[in-house]
Amino acid sequence: AQTVTQSQPEMSVQEAETVTLSCTYDTSESDYYLFWYKQPPSRQMILVIRQEAYKQQNATENRFSVNFQKAAKSFSLKISDSQLGDAAMYFCAYKLTQGGSEKLVFGKGTKLTVNP
Amino acid sequence: EAGVVQSPRYKIIEKKQPVAFWCNPISGHNTLYWYRQNLGQGPELLIRYENEEAVDDSQLPKDRFSAERLKGVDSTLKIQPAELGDSAVYLCASSSGGTSRETQYFGPGTRLLVL
Repeated sequence: AQTVTQSQPEMSVQEAETVTLSCTYDTSESDYYLFWYKQPPSRQMILVIRQEAYKQQNATENRFSVNFQKAAKSFSLKISDSQLGDAAMYFCAYKLTQGGSEKLVFGKGTKLTVNP
Repeated sequence: EAGVVQSPRYKIIEKKQPVAFWCNPISGHNTLYWYRQNLGQGPELLIRYENEEAVDDSQLPKDRFSAERLKGVDSTLKIQPAELGDSAVYLCASSSGGTSRETQYFGPGTRLLVL
């Protein structure tokens, strides 16, 4: 069974600084998607960034980028120039590309605090 | 484009009472998911619909939980009777077909408290 592990329950960063959130996963599949979702206190789960496993190039979305290491099954999220609005729970998630249950398998999340 | 809509946002009930949650997915999204998120955990899938067909309900506790998606649009998730352990946030998500199929868009969730 696929599992997703986020080893940092909490992280903090100073405003305008850079922070990296860790995620590792376990799968025997070769074709899948990885996601980072943000969940602020309002509880709306918002997609931050996604990565297709077959792509070697790391995905980027403005201040958000990932470091995808397929062999190591690692998928970390880097937030540059952190802003107060980045404070939230961040969840790493995995999904098979085809077949399976189409469900997202989530980690337990990392709570990010941004200090002014 | 409107996002996934859920209601109610909050619900407090006594144990053994019934409760229902409603979800309206993004227009045109054929796939609808119900997830449950316990405190301090990531969401876990309860059931997935492709149009009006439930294609994955292996994680749904069928003795007390039921769901329906009439006409392949709105969906309702019901719990009867509710237990203390059902206190959680219930999230609805939807996704479209084609190349965007893999991205699920979530609603704001319904926070359930069972007393």
